Amino acid sequence: EMQVVESGGGLVQPGGSLRLSCAASGFAFSDHYMDWVRQAPGKGLEWVGRTRNGANNYITEYAASVKGRFIMSRDDSKNSMWLQMNSLKTEDTAVYYCGRAVGYCVDNVCYYYAMDVWGQGTSVTVSS
Amino acid sequence: DIQMTQSPSSLSAAVGDRVTITCRTNQNISTYLNWYQQKPQKVPKLLIYAASNLQSGVPSRFSGSGSGTDFTLTISSLQLEDFATYFCQQSYTTPLTFGGGTKVEVK
Repeated sequence: EMQVVESGGGLVQPGGSLRLSCAASGFAFSDHYMDWVRQAPGKGLEWVGRTRNGANNYITEYAASVKGRFIMSRDDSKNSMWLQMNSLKTEDTAVYYCGRAVGYCVDNVCYYYAMDVWGQGTSVTVSS
Repeated sequence: DIQMTQSPSSLSAAVGDRVTITCRTNQNISTYLNWYQQKPQKVPKLLIYAASNLQSGVPSRFSGSGSGTDFTLTISSLQLEDFATYFCQQSYTTPLTFGGGTKVEVK
């Protein structure tokens, strides 16, 4: 069974740091892009960032709201990735989901990325 | 960033109704459009990718259409288990963006 499991959430003060982990199993982690998506309480979904696979140079991309504060990393040998969150703000309070972004192929074009495996999420609360 | 506008933000429908949700983008994204379903207190689930392709295991009453800037998600005959919030997402370019969601409630 394909799955990802997040951990590391908790309560942190504004300005503080937190490191989230995402452990994958049941699929070839090294082949895939991996995304972080968050959801503030009672709100919609917000894409946080993506780490590409090794074939695409492990390029990381971020939402403007977290760029310069959050750092994504991955270790294919451990089937894991991490989200280092620094200079946290109250507006970063959310459930953070990690997930596999798979490139679906349609008419021989294989860049139709969608998140097909989601973790159960880990809750981050930024509050004094 | 590509802006996503979903409508309506909520709707009330009965079991057996045909339901249509619209997603509009502020620039051409071809068919790089995904739909997700999220039930209360649950994890989002991929329904449709590339605008009209049904994810494996998703019932055939769900369908998607559109290209360019206008997209629709249709549920042909609403079932009890379909009451949920639906989100569109563009995958054309980063930053990826989601629509605000459409909550489908029981009439």
